[in-house]
Amino acid sequence: AQSVTQLDSQVPVFEEAPVELRCNYSSSVSVYLFWYVQYPNQGLQLLLKYLSGSTLVKGINGFEAEFNKSQTSFHLRKPSVHISDTAEYFCAVSPNTGGFKTIFGAGTRLFVKA
Amino acid sequence: DGGITQSPKYLFRKEGQNVTLSCEQNLNHDAMYWYRQDPGQGLRLIYYSQIVNDFQKGDIAEGYSVSREKKESFPLTVTSAQKNPTAFYLCASSIFVENTEAFFGQGTRLTVV
Repeated sequence: AQSVTQLDSQVPVFEEAPVELRCNYSSSVSVYLFWYVQYPNQGLQLLLKYLSGSTLVKGINGFEAEFNKSQTSFHLRKPSVHISDTAEYFCAVSPNTGGFKTIFGAGTRLFVKA
Repeated sequence: DGGITQSPKYLFRKEGQNVTLSCEQNLNHDAMYWYRQDPGQGLRLIYYSQIVNDFQKGDIAEGYSVSREKKESFPLTVTSAQKNPTAFYLCASSIFVENTEAFFGQGTRLTVV
């Protein structure tokens, strides 16, 4: 079985500051990892994904994440945030062994302040 | 443009009523999903479907029903047996069920009045 823990429920940050949203997972098999963003009253949109290969993954809107297998983490980072980045961010994990078992974290609400 | 359309965006239900949430996709995806979202709890899977005329229960299927008569459509019925139906409901689809990224609709906010 898989599980996902997003270590911060809320992250306030000033505009143009860097931000890191933390995600840890547990799994007995190899996994695929995803970050999604949700703006208020909207659906989720894929930011980036790790399937294999380079552990540093770049996504849309200037976000990137690094897969760390030894620490079972997949933290999301952005070097300089904008007001428009205010949203909820979800980490998700799926086993790469087939079948449907995508598990979502509880979400991290990012507040960007002027 | 290809995408997933959920309707209505807002829905109000009286106690004891069944209501049906619509989800249509024109992405030619085989797999479709329904999630429930409550504050602070992330997404919880209600039902999913891999192919037409087949669907599987997720983690919180009690009080819900679905059908998959067409590839493009996966409606969700919230029955009177669902004790706490007020929530944000999200429909999603993916190319196939094996762990690929999901594409989400804009959601339906259901409120019991």
